[in-house]
Amino acid sequence: QKEVEQDPGPLSVPEGAIVSLNCTYSNSAFQYFMWNRQYSRKGPELLMYTYSSGNKEDGRFTAQVDKSSKYISLFIRDSQPSDSATYLCAMSSAGGTSYGKLTFGQGTILTVHP
Amino acid sequence: DVKVTQSSRYLVKRTGEKVFLECVQDMDHENMFWYRQDPGLGLRLIYFSYDVKMKEKGDIPEGYSVSREKKERFSLILESASTNQTSMYLCASSLGLREQFFGPGTRLTVL
Repeated sequence: QKEVEQDPGPLSVPEGAIVSLNCTYSNSAFQYFMWNRQYSRKGPELLMYTYSSGNKEDGRFTAQVDKSSKYISLFIRDSQPSDSATYLCAMSSAGGTSYGKLTFGQGTILTVHP
Repeated sequence: DVKVTQSSRYLVKRTGEKVFLECVQDMDHENMFWYRQDPGLGLRLIYFSYDVKMKEKGDIPEGYSVSREKKERFSLILESASTNQTSMYLCASSLGLREQFFGPGTRLTVL
């Protein structure tokens, strides 16, 4: 079983829809949770960053972490065609010898059509 | 702005060739990483380095080696390329536990 599981999709939604992307994980040591967005033929870039449990909002994007369920989510409100990309969750344990080593999910391919 | 550059965007090599992929970052980051990205498998960590001349194996180090002689430069070496090493290779750098900044990737094809 992989440490981080993410449904690869693909997910296709109409413009303006609310999108929900999710990851589950098995390692209880993970404390840093990230969502990265990757456009075609580009490297991933950080979208949202959360430490421990709770919610974080940034514009149309909301990240949620539920450590008790080992489950994280990214919500996109009023989705736009420019949101079409692959979304990768990533997580890391704190300190020790991790040196910021991230474990990634498989990525979910999202298409928002006009 | 942090910039991570990779030596090639596309590379075609033959089975058995020695392949060098180079990554350079310009923000004095301590940590550097090499990943490969394959459909359905996501990003998998090959090696990382937390200081000059220091390296740690990631999840899939077999068939690869790395070199970090200078802080800004991290090289991935395929000693004898094989067809199952055809993939997208991504380099990243970070400062401590903060976000990783990725390069544009090198798409390697081994024939």
